[in-house]
Amino acid sequence: DIVMTQSPDSLAVSLGERATINCKSSQSLLHRSNKKNYLAWYQQKPGQPPKLLIYWASTRESGVPDRFSGSGSGADFTLTISRLQAEDVAIYYCQQYYTTPSFGQGTKLEIK
Amino acid sequence: VQLVQSGAEVKKPGASVKVSCETSGYNFNIYDIHWVRQATGQGLEWVGWMNPSTGQTGYAQKFQDRVALTRDTSISTAYMELNSLRSEDTAVYFCARAEESPWYFDYWGQGTLLTVSS
Repeated sequence: DIVMTQSPDSLAVSLGERATINCKSSQSLLHRSNKKNYLAWYQQKPGQPPKLLIYWASTRESGVPDRFSGSGSGADFTLTISRLQAEDVAIYYCQQYYTTPSFGQGTKLEIK
Repeated sequence: VQLVQSGAEVKKPGASVKVSCETSGYNFNIYDIHWVRQATGQGLEWVGWMNPSTGQTGYAQKFQDRVALTRDTSISTAYMELNSLRSEDTAVYFCARAEESPWYFDYWGQGTLLTVSS
């Protein structure tokens, strides 16, 4: 099984500042045949299901604000929120779909 | 697109539960349905998947012996049955939609809280 590890577990960022969340997988998520990274990012607010933000490591889901961006390749990935807004307070999860799905432990994002 | 799950359940240890996920707004047969659970204050754990068209299923190893995913295509509804319940199964269970490949989840149900307690 592929183990996903996020860092940090929590972070506090000032409004309008940049937030960066990291995700590392125990093996490469880059598929040789299509050169795609099998990595997604989700946002979860209290009492709600997760919401898909990013797939293929860097493709933004329709309707997701462009302040959210994903980067990385292989086994190291990053979710960046460029200008933090109050509504971005949530827990963020990465998920690999290279094999049977597995998720990171989550990163709790708060306002400083 | 909507996935609407059945309501909260309270069960005793050793019992079984069946949770439904009623879908609408898309062709039920061309997207896989996955189940993911989340214990209170914890992360997301994948339970298994089902192809509604063929009925093919796959389960996470830890649930292999206790879970069954089924569907009724006539009402575009998927089901998860979990047997031999224990207190550690207390969690919110989500159904989620994914293409046959790749398996990232673009729509989710609202979640069903299962409480297992004597």
